[in-house]
Amino acid sequence: GAVVSQHPSWVICKSGTSVKIECRSLDFQATTMFWYRQFPKQSLMLMATSNEGSKATYEQGVEKDKFLINHASLTLSTLTVTSAHPEDSSFYICSASWGGTDTQYFGPGTRLTVL
Amino acid sequence: GQQLNQSPQSMFIQEGEDVSMNCTSSSIFNTWLWYKQDPGEGPVLLIALYKAGELTSNGRLTAQFGITRKDSFLNISASIPSDVGIYFCAGQEEGAQKLVFGQGTRLTINP
Repeated sequence: GAVVSQHPSWVICKSGTSVKIECRSLDFQATTMFWYRQFPKQSLMLMATSNEGSKATYEQGVEKDKFLINHASLTLSTLTVTSAHPEDSSFYICSASWGGTDTQYFGPGTRLTVL
Repeated sequence: GQQLNQSPQSMFIQEGEDVSMNCTSSSIFNTWLWYKQDPGEGPVLLIALYKAGELTSNGRLTAQFGITRKDSFLNISASIPSDVGIYFCAGQEEGAQKLVFGQGTRLTINP
């Protein structure tokens, strides 16, 4: 149980384009989803917290107009990296939790490379 | 952002040895979680701790929630090659949704 998927698993795009990453909870309803970014050999850095039906709460230093987050249903959240630049290249990981538990279950991650 | 102090940062051990790593925080946490991450994948939950003093096992893994609620440790007994990876602790403050992560412990095992 508590399986989270992400799509795509990797993506390569040109600078200036937008990329959408999907995060799905497959066997539970996720009241809260989280988006993280991880650079090589570093820990996970939280970008934003998303509660279903509400606007996402962004961490300090994360541009909300650049990283658009939508959590329209209890099983799907999307992260859109707009006007991507090479410095946005990273490993993006989502996690999900449901009401009554604090435990977060992570997706397999999406490797974004911006050329 | 805020981070936990996780140590050691890396470990090089022989197969069969026991492993111990820990995390400390200046804040009190209500929840401690331990994850393992393999290269190119997302973290996988190993053990979740919800109560001060709680000692929980998952196979060869044992973790404890410190009495002060400011620390936790993870032990791995009789290590095997598939234990290789990066282990992260994560804590959650009361009333908070987000997790605070440690810097990770990279475990390497010599056969």
